[in-house]
Amino acid sequence: AQKVTQAQTEISVVEKEDVTLDCVYETRDTTYYLFWYKQPPSGELVFLIRRNSFDEQNEISGRYSWNFQKSTSSFNFTITASQVVDSAVYFCALTVRNYGQNFVFGPGTRLSVLP
Amino acid sequence: GAGVSQSPSNKVTEKGKDVELRCDPISGHTALYWYRQSLGQGLEFLIYFQGNSAPDKSGLPSDRFSAERTGGSVSTLTIQRTQQEDSAVYLCASSLSVADTQYFGPGTRLTVL
Repeated sequence: AQKVTQAQTEISVVEKEDVTLDCVYETRDTTYYLFWYKQPPSGELVFLIRRNSFDEQNEISGRYSWNFQKSTSSFNFTITASQVVDSAVYFCALTVRNYGQNFVFGPGTRLSVLP
Repeated sequence: GAGVSQSPSNKVTEKGKDVELRCDPISGHTALYWYRQSLGQGLEFLIYFQGNSAPDKSGLPSDRFSAERTGGSVSTLTIQRTQQEDSAVYLCASSLSVADTQYFGPGTRLTVL
């Protein structure tokens, strides 16, 4: 069975600070996919990134970066120079490429960026 | 093209009534998911459709919940004899295929009085 843990329930930072959201996953499959989604106060989930298990290269997109480490089963998300608009709940998710497997979402981390 | 749409956006019903929630996935997406999100909580998987295959109903919380997907496109989630604990936001998502990126609709907020 798959599992995703986001140990940080809530994080508060002051604008312009860097912040890292942790995600630890569990799966016995060798082929799997990891995702991050953002849920702003408006409620609609927004896709941020998808990473497959064979690609451990870290990714940077503007102020966002992701650190995928299979050795520690982690897929952490860093926001550099945070802004108030980054305030949201962030979900990490995992799925494996087998029929009938559903996405497993972590419980989410609520990020508050204070001005 | 258009994203995932859901209707109604809000539904208020009385305990014991049946409700139907609708989801229109992105055109061409073969996989469709229903989730439930209670206030301040994470996403709870309900059911998953992939093409013409039998759906994965493993997440449905009780036999009062059912879903169908007609013609491989539109899906309807039905809750019979609603209870107050059914109050939540019901989210639908679709993806090109299994394990592909899911794109979410805006959700239906269900309130059972």
